[in-house]
Amino acid sequence: QKEVEQDPGPLSVPEGAIVSLNCTYSNSAFQYFMWYRQYSRKGPELLMYTYSSGNKEDGRFTAQVDKSSKYISLFIRDSQPSDSATYLCAMNLRDKVIFGPGTSLSVIP
Amino acid sequence: GAVVSQHPSWVICKSGTSVKIECRSLDFQATTMFWYRQFPKQSLMLMATSNEGSKATYEQGVEKDKFLINHASLTLSTLTVTSAHPEDSSFYICSAGSSRGSKQYFGPGTRLTVT
Repeated sequence: QKEVEQDPGPLSVPEGAIVSLNCTYSNSAFQYFMWYRQYSRKGPELLMYTYSSGNKEDGRFTAQVDKSSKYISLFIRDSQPSDSATYLCAMNLRDKVIFGPGTSLSVIP
Repeated sequence: GAVVSQHPSWVICKSGTSVKIECRSLDFQATTMFWYRQFPKQSLMLMATSNEGSKATYEQGVEKDKFLINHASLTLSTLTVTSAHPEDSSFYICSAGSSRGSKQYFGPGTRLTVT
């Protein structure tokens, strides 16, 4: 079993839709949970960073962590074509960050 | 967020030559820098972790003599791909963190093509 699993998609939604992106993980020792957005041929950009179970909101983005189920989610409200990118979940254990394979999202105008 | 730069953004080199990629943290001191490679439509693969002033720690399967990493200061790390071959063609991305367990900030990446 991989340490971090994520549906690679591609996921295609109409503009304005609510997007739900999810990851599961197997190592209960993970301490920090992150979501990165990566546009094609660019480096990943940190979107959300959390370390406890519950929700964290930042603008149109909400990160949700459920440590008991080893499950994290990223919700995007009022999705825009500019949100079209690959979204990577990531988890931190000491100095090492483990990335999910990424979900490719397309928001159609 | 913190800014990390990489240079060059893309490079084409001939097989057998060496290529150096620079990673700089522009507005903070990075105690730890990470080097990743990414093949098309695949996720990031950690190659090595470097701490300022000490030898890099390489991931299993990464040849340390081929991928030379130097972290000479708190704002600069370099990756040198020695005797590059076409299979080394990839997107190389660095990231920098300021303390244990902290957020990592990524550079824009360097696309290497070996002909």
